[in-house]
Amino acid sequence: DVKVTQSSRYLVKRTGEKVFLECVQDMDHENMFWYRQDPGLGLRLIYFSYDVKMKEKGDIPEGYSVSREKKERFSLILESASTNQTSMYLCASGVATGGQPQHFGDGTRLSIL
Amino acid sequence: GQNIDQPTEMTATEGAIVQINCTYQTSGFNGLFWYQQHAGEAPTFLSYNVLDGLEEKGRFSSFLSRSKGYSYLLLKELQMKDSASYLCALQGNNQGGKLIFGQGTELSVKP
Repeated sequence: DVKVTQSSRYLVKRTGEKVFLECVQDMDHENMFWYRQDPGLGLRLIYFSYDVKMKEKGDIPEGYSVSREKKERFSLILESASTNQTSMYLCASGVATGGQPQHFGDGTRLSIL
Repeated sequence: GQNIDQPTEMTATEGAIVQINCTYQTSGFNGLFWYQQHAGEAPTFLSYNVLDGLEEKGRFSSFLSRSKGYSYLLLKELQMKDSASYLCALQGNNQGGKLIFGQGTELSVKP
């Protein structure tokens, strides 16, 4: 089975801190994704990557950056955390071929105080 | 752009059948996915439609009509464990297999 592992289930940080969310997948997938999920808004794509060192902006990239130095690892970075970034963050991975599902991690519930 | 609409909430009775609709407006897409998400858990893949018609997987079926901009997920013989959020998502034609999600439908199954 595909395993997508996010480093933390729950995280509490303070406004202005630099925050790192880590995601690792074990299926050699080319594509990796970061979403945030908020009530009434569904999942919204922040950034994605289709290869090592490659990244593309999603729908809501402002205030975030990403890093993909190795194929299996995709990191989301909040450069200076703000309270409106309190959310559930979900990482996903998938193959490059269309028509195949993305596989999700269990999510990180991040609270910015 | 792509607009995807689903009902926010639905309630159904154990043992019954429920249909969750998803309508969309888009200039083109590869296919349509349905995911299930229990509270506090990761979304899990349920079904994928690329051609018009019905795809059946046990108690769950999904239907797509590209000409009508419409899909539905059909759940039969409802069980209490089917209480969850159901997410409709379009996969674009672009590189990377990006998914655009609807807001999700929260299904409550009552005894």
